[in-house]
Amino acid sequence: AQSVSQHNHHVILSEAASLELGCNYSYGGTVNLFWYVQYPGQHLQLLLKYFSGDPLVKGIKGFEAEFIKSKFSFNLRKPSVQWSDTAEYFCAVTVSGGYQKVTFGIGTKLQVIP
Amino acid sequence: EAGVAQSPRYKIIEKRQSVAFWCNPISGHATLYWYQQILGQGPKLLIQFQNNGVVDDSQLPKDRFSAERLKGVDSTLKIQPAKLEDSAVYLCASSSDNTIQYFGAGTRLSVL
Repeated sequence: AQSVSQHNHHVILSEAASLELGCNYSYGGTVNLFWYVQYPGQHLQLLLKYFSGDPLVKGIKGFEAEFIKSKFSFNLRKPSVQWSDTAEYFCAVTVSGGYQKVTFGIGTKLQVIP
Repeated sequence: EAGVAQSPRYKIIEKRQSVAFWCNPISGHATLYWYQQILGQGPKLLIQFQNNGVVDDSQLPKDRFSAERLKGVDSTLKIQPAKLEDSAVYLCASSSDNTIQYFGAGTRLSVL
């Protein structure tokens, strides 16, 4: 069974700082990878996804993530955070093909200080 | 396009009582998921439906939790009897292709 590790549970940054949130998964086969975000008081929503092709994927609001297969990683990055990026970020993985059970990480709370 | 609707938003019950949550997925979405999210943790899949059939319920505590999806549309999740450790947010999500999921606002359950 696959699992997901998010190493930073709570991150505090000043506006304009760069962001990198770590995500590692454990599964030996082909995976689909996701980052979901939950802004305060809002639903969980998709930020970006990787299925295949270019390992550098771009999502909404200037976020990007890089899939590094050799490291089983899918880290989320943003060059310059804004106060509005304050949210909780969840990495998730499914196994490609057939029944695709989704496994979520524990989440990282990002607080951006103006 | 209307999103995933869940009700109620909040529920407070005493232990050993029963409770039910309702979910209406996005129209046309064949796949429906129920998750339990305990404070400080990520969502944990309880049950997944494909139309009105169960695809995965391996993490559903079947001695007290039950779920159904009548006619492959709306779904209800029931807990009977509730325990203190069932306090959590219960999320419903739907998907048209079992890849990208669209989440509802969730039901926050407090068991006293």
